[in-house]
Amino acid sequence: AQSVTQLDSQVPVFEEAPVELRCNYSSSVSVYLFWYVQYPNQGLQLLLKYLSGSTLVESINGFEAEFNKSQTSFHLRKPSVHISDTAEYFCAVTKGGATNKLIFGTGTLLAVQP
Amino acid sequence: DVKVTQSSRYLVKRTGEKVFLECVQDMDHENMFWYRQDPGLGLRLIYFSYDVKMKEKGDIPEGYSVSREKKERFSLILESASTNQTSMYLCASSLVDLLNEQFFGPGTRLTVL
Repeated sequence: AQSVTQLDSQVPVFEEAPVELRCNYSSSVSVYLFWYVQYPNQGLQLLLKYLSGSTLVESINGFEAEFNKSQTSFHLRKPSVHISDTAEYFCAVTKGGATNKLIFGTGTLLAVQP
Repeated sequence: DVKVTQSSRYLVKRTGEKVFLECVQDMDHENMFWYRQDPGLGLRLIYFSYDVKMKEKGDIPEGYSVSREKKERFSLILESASTNQTSMYLCASSLVDLLNEQFFGPGTRLTVL
């Protein structure tokens, strides 16, 4: 079975500083990885995903994540955060297939301070 | 613009009541999901449906049932609400391939007194 670990429940950071949100997974088979973001009082929305190919994936708002198979990690990074990036971020994993489901981590609250 | 709507943003019910949470999607998606979101526990899958009248248990189905009579609508039912079912409930939908993005509704915050 797959599992996802987000060790940091909350990450406070000042505006314009860099940030890294950590995600580690465990699985005995190949997996596909996702980052979802939940802004205050909203549902989740997809930020980026790794399915195959280049191990570095990017979102339209400046976030990037790198799939590292040897370290079983998929950390999310942004070189300079904005107040508007304040949200909860969820890492998720699936092995795919018709009925295999997403397994979500416990989430990391990114709190950007002015 | 794709949309998943949930019938209520906030709901307060009493212990023992039967509770219906409704979810509607307008994207003609085959898959629909109900999750429960609790602080420190992330999202946990309650039930999943991959077609009309088809359902599959998720990780925490106890105390819940679901109904999918039409493709666009997926209902979560709490047969006899209990205080430990106080939570945020999120509905999502996706195309048949689970590697596709899941689109989420805004959530229903249910309080059981």
